[in-house]
Amino acid sequence: GAGVSQSPSNKVTEKGKDVELRCDPISGHTALYWYRQSLGQGLEFLIYFQGNSAPDKSGLPSDRFSAERTGESVSTLTIQRTQQEDSAVYLCASSRRQGGTGELFFGEGSRLTVL
Amino acid sequence: GENVEQHPSTLSVQEGDSAVIKCTYSDSASNYFPWYKQELGKRPQLIIDIRSNVGEKKDQRIAVTLNKTAKHFSLHITETQPEDSAVYFCAATAGNEKLTFGTGTRLTIIP
Repeated sequence: GAGVSQSPSNKVTEKGKDVELRCDPISGHTALYWYRQSLGQGLEFLIYFQGNSAPDKSGLPSDRFSAERTGESVSTLTIQRTQQEDSAVYLCASSRRQGGTGELFFGEGSRLTVL
Repeated sequence: GENVEQHPSTLSVQEGDSAVIKCTYSDSASNYFPWYKQELGKRPQLIIDIRSNVGEKKDQRIAVTLNKTAKHFSLHITETQPEDSAVYFCAATAGNEKLTFGTGTRLTIIP
C-alpha cells in the first residue's frame, strides 16, 4: 500500500479482555513507532523498533502492554487485561531512515474503547 | 534520554497575525528537529524540519529557527489563515535514537 495501514480502525472491548492492534508499515521502512493519544492530549511514546536491533520499550506503561515486529514487516501491539484507562487512539508510524531523522508517516490510528 | 518541552500549550491569534511556538531540548547531541501538524481528527504530518547545521529554514509562510547554544528551536507562522488551526508538535533526536515529541500546542486562528 501507499501508506501506513492500521487495523482495526475502531475496537470496543470489555474491561479485562485482551486486544491486538496491527500495523502495516510502508514497505522498506526500517523504523516503526507506536504512540498512544488520549482525547485532546499529546503523543505518548510506547515502543520503537529499528531494523533488527532490540526495540526501545521504555514507553510501555505496564507489563500488560507488549509489541512485536518481525524484521521490517508488520507489527502487533497487544494489550492484556484491558482497563478503562487504556481507552485512546493508538497510532503507528514508520520511517525509512534509521533513528528519528527521517519523516515519520503515521497511520490513521486504532481507536480503542474499553467499557 | 532526550526531554523536549513545548510552550505555549494553547495559542489563539487573529487571522493574518503571526504565531510563534517554542521548544527546548535537553540532549546537546540532538541534531534533527521536525515539526508535525495534526488537524482535528487526522493523523500528524510533517510540515517542516531543520538539522543542526543550519540556523533557520523557511517554507512559504512557515519558518523554523534553531539556537544550538541555548538548545531551543521555534516555529513561526506568518499571515495566519483558518486552515492553520491545528495542534503542532515539535520533536528532537540525536539521530541514532528515537524521536522525542513535545507535548503539543493547540493553535486557534480567530477569523
